[in-house]
Order: sequence, then C-alpha cells, then structure tokens
Amino acid sequence: QQQVKQSPQSLIVQKGGISIINCAYENTAFDYFPWYQQFPGKGPALLIAIRPDVSEKKEGRFTISFNKSAKQFSLHIMDSQPGDSATYFCAASGYGGSQGNLIFGKGTKLSVKP
Amino acid sequence: ETGVTQTPRHLVMGMTNKKSLKCEQHLGHNAMYWYKQSAKKPLELMFVYSLEERVENNSVPSRFSPECPNSSHLFLHLHTLQPEDSALYLCASSQDRKDGYTFGSGTRLTVV
Repeated sequence: QQQVKQSPQSLIVQKGGISIINCAYENTAFDYFPWYQQFPGKGPALLIAIRPDVSEKKEGRFTISFNKSAKQFSLHIMDSQPGDSATYFCAASGYGGSQGNLIFGKGTKLSVKP
Repeated sequence: ETGVTQTPRHLVMGMTNKKSLKCEQHLGHNAMYWYKQSAKKPLELMFVYSLEERVENNSVPSRFSPECPNSSHLFLHLHTLQPEDSALYLCASSQDRKDGYTFGSGTRLTVV
C-alpha cells in the first residue's frame, strides 16, 4: 500500500525527443505527487508536483499527467536536451502520520543523446 | 548560506570509529529527515523529526543515532558501522511534513 512503482529503470532518448516516465501507487490517501531530478553528486531537487484535483500540470518543458482512477501519474519531458540527463524520482504522500512522509519510486536514469 | 547544507561531503570511516554527520537548513522549515540512498534501495527514509521531536524511526539499526537540537540542525551519529552501511546519506527539510522536501547534497559515506 505504501509503495510507488516507477518505470522504466532507464531510458535513452534522442535530443529533441519526448521522455516519458511512469509511476503507479496503491494508497488512495496519497494526495501529493512530486517529481524530483537528481544529478550525480547532488541531492534530489523538486522539479514539478501535482495534486489530485487537476489531471495535468505543465511547467516549461515538463508536464505531469495524473490519472486518479487508474492511480497512475507520469512525467513528460518535451524537447529533451542533453542537460536533462539525470535520475528522476516520482514520489507520493498523504495527510497525517506516516502518510505525511514522501515515499519514493526507485528512480529512472535518463540519458539524452545529442 | 541557503537551502540545506550537509557536512562533510565525503567520509571514510573504519568499522570501530565514531563519527557524526551534520545537516543545517536555512529555510525556516519545521520538519527534517534523514534518507539513505544506495544502489539497492534508492531512497530509504531513516528518521523523521517534526518540531524537533522524533516522530518516526523507520526500523533503523541502533548504530545510527539521530539528534535534533533545534529546528535548523540535524545530526546523525554513527558508531560501529558495517561495510553495507556505505551509501549516500541525504538530509531534507519541509514545512509541516507536507509538500516539497528540500534536500542537501548528501554525505558520501564509505565504511572500510
């Protein structure tokens, strides 16, 4: 119930292409879904986040799509650039107690080829 | 200084040593966290402090001992570690244990 399942483990995309990373959850009490980006030697940094009251959120080239009924959400990176090469983590949390803690997926290593 | 600062950035310690990791946040947040990041389990929650009180210990061995003297500082005291404890230890903070966490750059720990 507390797991967040992320796929794929790794992804190779050509420059200018679209990168898509998917996550699924089971706990219906989750109400906050962020994506983090991590470069080697750095901690994860918040990239974009969504709450269940909307189905999509866009910030620049990054879009989260959220499907509440399917309990799935995904990150789309449009016009992918070599500088986007990093590891991406999805996460989820809910209200109260342990559910207030962010639960992370296992990460997706993205490589954007020039 | 801004954000979340962790020191040291790298640490090599023997199995019988005692060392401490330090985390400081300059964001005015009231919750702080320790995470362990390794190849096998990418982001494992270890400890949660809310308003300087430990609210969660995620079944972490007693050789890891956290300390939160105030809302801006968090320590992780280490003693008699095992080689499998080698990992990147990340500190994070947030407001009210909700919403986005801000992570530090981590301490890369190697136990020899």
